[in-house]
Amino acid sequence: AQKITQTQPGMFVQEKEAVTLDCTYDTSDPSYGLFWYKQPSSGEMIFLIYQGSYDQQNATEGRYSLNFQKARKSANLVISASQLGDSAMYFCAMSLSGNTPLVFGKGTRLSVIA
Amino acid sequence: DTEVTQTPKHLVMGMTNKKSLKCEQHMGHRAMYWYKQKAKKPPELMFVYSYEKLSINESVPSRFSPECPNSSLLNLHLHALQPEDSALYLCASSASDRIPYNEQFFGPGTRLTVL
Repeated sequence: AQKITQTQPGMFVQEKEAVTLDCTYDTSDPSYGLFWYKQPSSGEMIFLIYQGSYDQQNATEGRYSLNFQKARKSANLVISASQLGDSAMYFCAMSLSGNTPLVFGKGTRLSVIA
Repeated sequence: DTEVTQTPKHLVMGMTNKKSLKCEQHMGHRAMYWYKQKAKKPPELMFVYSYEKLSINESVPSRFSPECPNSSLLNLHLHALQPEDSALYLCASSASDRIPYNEQFFGPGTRLTVL
């Protein structure tokens, strides 16, 4: 069975600084996808970035990048130049190949300070 | 159009009421999902519809009844709910649950309160 671990319940970052949110995963399947979602207080889950297990390069999407270290089974999200609007809950999630639903970590609440 | 819409945004209901939550997407996605999310917890999968057929039911109590009238619409019918069912109900869609790791697009959710 697959598992996602986010060990940081809460994080603070100064505006305009970079921040790394940790995510480790566990699966014996060689084929999987890793996702990060942002959930503001309004409730909507916003897709941020995706990394496939066979992707050679780390995924980037604007200010978001994913530090994928396959041997360590980690998929950390890096947010550069933090903005006040980045304050939200962030979830790491994984799905396996085939018809398997997303498995979410417990989330990290990020607070950006002016 | 990359939007998933959900109505209503908020719902308060008594334990004897019958109500429905609605979800709609026009992205041509063939997989749709219902999740339940309690405060400060990750979403928990309830149901998956694939090509308008129920493909996954995560042992959800029968007081929750999903329906997929067509490929764009997903309903969740509620009857005789309990106060512990109060939560944020999220709908999501993806291109297909037969494609590995395709991202799910979520709606804004319905905040349900059962009195």
